[in-house]
This record gives sequence, structure tokens and C-alpha cells, in this order.
Amino acid sequence: ETGVTQTPRHLVMGMTNKKSLKCEQHLGHNAMYWYKQSAKKPLELMFVYNFKEQTENNSVPSRFSPECPNSSHLFLHLHTLQPEDSALYLCASSQDGTSGGENTQYFGPGTRLTVL
Amino acid sequence: AQTVTQSQPEMSVQEAETVTLSCTYDTSESDYYLFWYKQPPSRQMILVIRQEAYKQQNATENRFSVNFQKAAKSFSLKISDSQLGDAAMYFCAYRSYTGTASKLTFGTGTRLQVTL
Repeated sequence: ETGVTQTPRHLVMGMTNKKSLKCEQHLGHNAMYWYKQSAKKPLELMFVYNFKEQTENNSVPSRFSPECPNSSHLFLHLHTLQPEDSALYLCASSQDGTSGGENTQYFGPGTRLTVL
Repeated sequence: AQTVTQSQPEMSVQEAETVTLSCTYDTSESDYYLFWYKQPPSRQMILVIRQEAYKQQNATENRFSVNFQKAAKSFSLKISDSQLGDAAMYFCAYRSYTGTASKLTFGTGTRLQVTL
């Protein structure tokens, strides 16, 4: 596998279900991100992990719970979601330097989530 | 906070012709990066080109080039010799660095159609 992979690619869940999205990066990066892409809205940054520590949480509801066990893996645990949470969830990774720098983010193919 | 504006929701270009997609941004920072990403129907977000704000020379990647006007806070993408495979959503993005993480702010996107 190369680049950034995400599983599953499609997920349908009920409002009472618990599910998890998985992201894995094979680029040797140290930072990982979760974005939400809804119809007719800009991509919204949800969470940022740098060196396995969460550095950003953009006021995301607690029904979304991220986990970053190491710098290559990122999970998004989902529970008691709402229909408006249906969206494309994109994972990205970058090599973040301590002084900024380019930090180009590379994206995975996304998980299309439908909440019934 | 930074904002990114793409004022063209849709554009159309004939195959082999040239098209320019517009992007403006607002920031008080002096050093930053700008990106153009492409999202084809597969939904994979693909990096097209990047520009460092402190570099006066416009970035170029094969048929893709930018016109970066720092004073005007403008960052347009020119696609030359358009191909059918260029049809996609194009997103302009601004990268800021908080000291602990890099963050991308995206525009709302421009849908590019390529016709025969």
C-alpha cells in the first residue's frame, strides 16, 4: 500500500450504532488530520494529531471520538450519530516541522458515511 | 482567521484550450503556503500545485501554473491544453501554522467541465 488509505470506503449506519473509520498513512509523516466534506460546504477540519497528540479539535461534537495510537494510524470512532452527519470523511497526513515549513497534506480516498 | 474565496462555482473549457480558475484569500500573515487540489468523481483529493508566499516566482507543474499576486491576495490556477481528465472540482487552500499544527482552510470549490 502506498500513500494514505482509508477503510471502509462506504458505511451505512443507524443512529444507535457504533462504528469506526480507519486511516493509515505509508508516507512516514508525523501529523494526521480528519476532515468532513458535506454537500455544498467547504471542507471542515475536525481534528489534528501531531506526533500522536491531539493539537486541534474544531468544536466537534463528542459523538465523534478520534484516536491516534501511533503516527501511522488514525481512527474516528462514531456513536449515536445524526442524519446530518452523513458526509464524506477524509483523512490526510503531512510532515510537520517544528518551524512550519511546507507541510503539504496528502489525502486518502475518503469514507462515504450515510446515517439513517 | 483566514478565509478563502472561490467566486466561480462552475467553469467550462473546450479540450486543448486554456482556462483560469480564480481564488482570493484574506490573511494578516506574511509567510504562508497556498495550494490547489483537484477532486475528481472518485473523490480522492489530489494535490495539483503549491506556492510559497515568500517566493515571487509563480509555481508551475507541467500544464498547470499559478498567477500569485501577494499584494492583491490572489492565487489563480491556469490549466493549459485542457484534457478530459482535468474535469473535476478544484479547491484552493491556504495553509497556516499554529506552532503545533498546520491547518488548511479551503474555498468552496470550482467545478470544471471539459468539453470536446
